[in-house]
Amino acid sequence: GAGVSQSPSNKVTEKGKDVELRCDPISGHTALYWYRQSLGQGLEFLIYFQGNSAPDKSGLPSDRFSAERTGGSVSTLTIQRTQQEDSAVYLCASSLVAGGQETQYFGPGTRLLVL
Amino acid sequence: AQSVAQPEDQVNVAEGNPLTVKCTYSVSGNPYLFWYVQYPNRGLQFLLKYITGDNLVKGSYGFEAEFNKSQTSFHLKKPSALVSDSALYFCAVRDRGDNNDMRFGAGTRLTVKP
Repeated sequence: GAGVSQSPSNKVTEKGKDVELRCDPISGHTALYWYRQSLGQGLEFLIYFQGNSAPDKSGLPSDRFSAERTGGSVSTLTIQRTQQEDSAVYLCASSLVAGGQETQYFGPGTRLLVL
Repeated sequence: AQSVAQPEDQVNVAEGNPLTVKCTYSVSGNPYLFWYVQYPNRGLQFLLKYITGDNLVKGSYGFEAEFNKSQTSFHLKKPSALVSDSALYFCAVRDRGDNNDMRFGAGTRLTVKP
């Protein structure tokens, strides 16, 4: 595709429910990243995928958060038993390959509100 | 681990005046440095990056940034601000030895007034 796409653009859920957020990276990009942006905060790294390698999950804030990437393309971030503090914008980014100088291209984000 | 500081939460400038958005970094080795801009309800858009070579990097929309190793800074600049430049700006750093750990600053909100 022309850019990184994410769905849904907005999600309102009740505390305790599970949510799934989807990311479609730029075609041909092998690296995919998830970030969380809370109100007034910078970006918090969550998880990173590179090709078929095991993902780097070091940024996931709790075991309620998980992500998978199927077929090396689309990724789904799942938050189980959502809490109000999970409310944030979840951003996905992809890059051609993993590498320090590679530019990450971001999607528009999913705005999650947990009531 | 690397880190980034954007000392100003908010920068206000008048249209037509030069603008500077400050960024300082900390890495154990040599850095790759990035600037991104975020417009309301949008994802981050890449502006420019410093990899190596010339310390002055030119990017999109007339922005430029200067890498200063001695001051560990990578300030974003533009000679003449436009109202449409009003947005949230993020600086990011990555250590050359890391493939995945990019650290972002907290962001600086730039407001350009007509």
